[in-house]
Amino acid sequence: AAGVIQSPRHLIKEKRETATLKCYPIPRHDTVYWYQQGPGQDPQFLISFYEKMQSDKGSIPDRFSAQQFSDYHSELNMSSLELGDSALYFCASSLTGGRAEAFFGQGTRLTVV
Amino acid sequence: GQNIDQPTEMTATEGAIVQINCTYQTSGFNGLFWYQQHAGEAPTFLSYNVLDGLEEKGRFSSFLSRSKGYSYLLLKELQMKDSASYLCAVRLGGSYIPTFGRGTSLIVHP
Repeated sequence: AAGVIQSPRHLIKEKRETATLKCYPIPRHDTVYWYQQGPGQDPQFLISFYEKMQSDKGSIPDRFSAQQFSDYHSELNMSSLELGDSALYFCASSLTGGRAEAFFGQGTRLTVV
Repeated sequence: GQNIDQPTEMTATEGAIVQINCTYQTSGFNGLFWYQQHAGEAPTFLSYNVLDGLEEKGRFSSFLSRSKGYSYLLLKELQMKDSASYLCAVRLGGSYIPTFGRGTSLIVHP
């Protein structure tokens, strides 16, 4: 069965650079969530989309933005990167506005140097 | 996840049974997940409980009591590969966003 696809799997950026992370949800899933997980931390919710509209916002810094496109894939744009942004970034998708199970992608490991 | 509590670490013996508890406080509830996560990898979906009771899936079972704000994950016939972090995530306060607890690090030894 198709799963949530994230790209790239690994990304190394320098401070103050920008990064774009991509997420392709499971086909027919209408809800996408983005999470950030620092070393030894639990995943922290950043932002979510339902039917291409932002539905909820968590602890997403103002330097970050995200959107969901007509084909339901989503992109997380990160600017003015800081060392503290180094983390695993996960995308998850779900059906029926998020009322069903949420499945996670393999994540993007971002390292800011 | 300040409203979700799990033990930080547990150890168990290969072949044994282990129960990982999760308690939560919320004025609204829309479901509870259990995920398994190996270091550096994505959380893998294990179970999703919306109604009270026990859900069984092979060696893994999950129980929910909404009135008590309590769930547990039961792992039977433990294998070394079950050594991982187990994350409880709850859709809290009327939201459909899964909010994660700190996770329980399970160490299975021979």
